[in-house]
Amino acid sequence: AQKITQTQPGMFVQEKEAVTLDCTYDTSDPSYGLFWYKQPSSGEMIFLIYQGSYDQQNATEGRYSLNFQKARKSANLVISASQLGDSAMYFCAMRELSTGRRALTFGSGTRLQVQP
Amino acid sequence: NAGVTQTPKFQVLKTGQSMTLQCAQDMNHNSMYWYRQDPGMGLRLIYYSASEGTTDKGEVPNGYNVSRLNKREFSLRLESAAPSQTSVYFCASSETRVWYQETQYFGPGTRLLVL
Repeated sequence: AQKITQTQPGMFVQEKEAVTLDCTYDTSDPSYGLFWYKQPSSGEMIFLIYQGSYDQQNATEGRYSLNFQKARKSANLVISASQLGDSAMYFCAMRELSTGRRALTFGSGTRLQVQP
Repeated sequence: NAGVTQTPKFQVLKTGQSMTLQCAQDMNHNSMYWYRQDPGMGLRLIYYSASEGTTDKGEVPNGYNVSRLNKREFSLRLESAAPSQTSVYFCASSETRVWYQETQYFGPGTRLLVL
């Protein structure tokens, strides 16, 4: 089974509007971390936001927030007030305690295009 | 602060040739990683190193070897390149904390084309 599922290959949003990028995950491990990365056309991977499985509150970092619904195993990224520079690929990733290693498992990504 | 650097940025190889991808980080991180990214996919782990002197296989290690030369440097070697190894290779590093809170910081990537 897919560990990380991003069902939206591509999304469009108007500048200044909010957008939600979906991420669902599959794990039986009670201890895990969820991450979102941005990959602009230049190719680098930029860390955006982190959510731990034991965190009581949803994570926020500036215009980024994570809508964490543990029972539904979803960790959607919300970008408020979209900017043209937000156009990029966005990847959801997870690390589980049961894997015994520190590496991340990535989803296939969502390409976001912000329109003026 | 350079963060994670990778060389080269781009490389073309012929099938059967060998090469080493270099990665260095200046953040004093203990853990380092090599991932590959194929078109339309997320990153997949090739090898990682939890600390100097240790390395472990990831999801797709076949055809690769690694060396953790010191705390700063982690190299990836292709002994006999194959077209299936055409990909973008990312190096990353992270500081050892509460393990699932570790944030990985990535280098700019190396685009490899094997003909």
